[in-house]
Amino acid sequence: DAGVIQSPRHEVTEMGQEVTLRCKPISGHDYLFWYRQTMMRGLELLIYFNNNVPIDDSGMPEDRFSAKMPNASFSTLKIQPSEPRDSAVYFCASSFFLQGAQGYGYTFGSGTRLTVV
Amino acid sequence: GENVEQHPSTLSVQEGDSAVIKCTYSDSASNYFPWYKQELGKRPQLIIDIRSNVGEKKDQRIAVTLNKTAKHFSLHITETQPEDSAVYFCAARRTSYDKVIFGPGTSLSVIP
Repeated sequence: DAGVIQSPRHEVTEMGQEVTLRCKPISGHDYLFWYRQTMMRGLELLIYFNNNVPIDDSGMPEDRFSAKMPNASFSTLKIQPSEPRDSAVYFCASSFFLQGAQGYGYTFGSGTRLTVV
Repeated sequence: GENVEQHPSTLSVQEGDSAVIKCTYSDSASNYFPWYKQELGKRPQLIIDIRSNVGEKKDQRIAVTLNKTAKHFSLHITETQPEDSAVYFCAARRTSYDKVIFGPGTSLSVIP
């Protein structure tokens, strides 16, 4: 398995532009998570999906951020319009729910380093 | 909601010494506690986890302990090596289908 695949690895964009980050979870995983990592705020959960349905988007900072999961193998995180304070590393992670199990670990993608200038 | 605190924020040890990172959590319903290691410029990777029905777990040089009453858990690394240098995150989760909440991280430096 290739693991969780994110694209692009790096993105530099000008303030006000639309940015779309992409994620392909591990096949068979039914949970997908989007995290943002900065030095100041650490790893923040933005939103997560179960079976393609958004479960908790309370971490999405504002209306400029949106996420979709049209099918089990693809998700996008969109920022429109982008601002310099959105500069961060965005990680996608996936996992599966095992009936009766108390826990499981995430598998993270390699991340997208976003720089908004 | 759950809140996870982690100490220290930075830790330097001499190669061969032990390192201990401590975390506390707020939600008594949390029952799963993973630890992640993130090397510079790389993704966080799960290194060990512990469930609430277990007090201690070991994997070679790494061990985790859990005190449910006090709501704290710790990571112990023995015989540290330079390749152990990384940021370590503790985390907590309530159920199999709930989100994982991460601590702020500990930057560990192992000095050769």
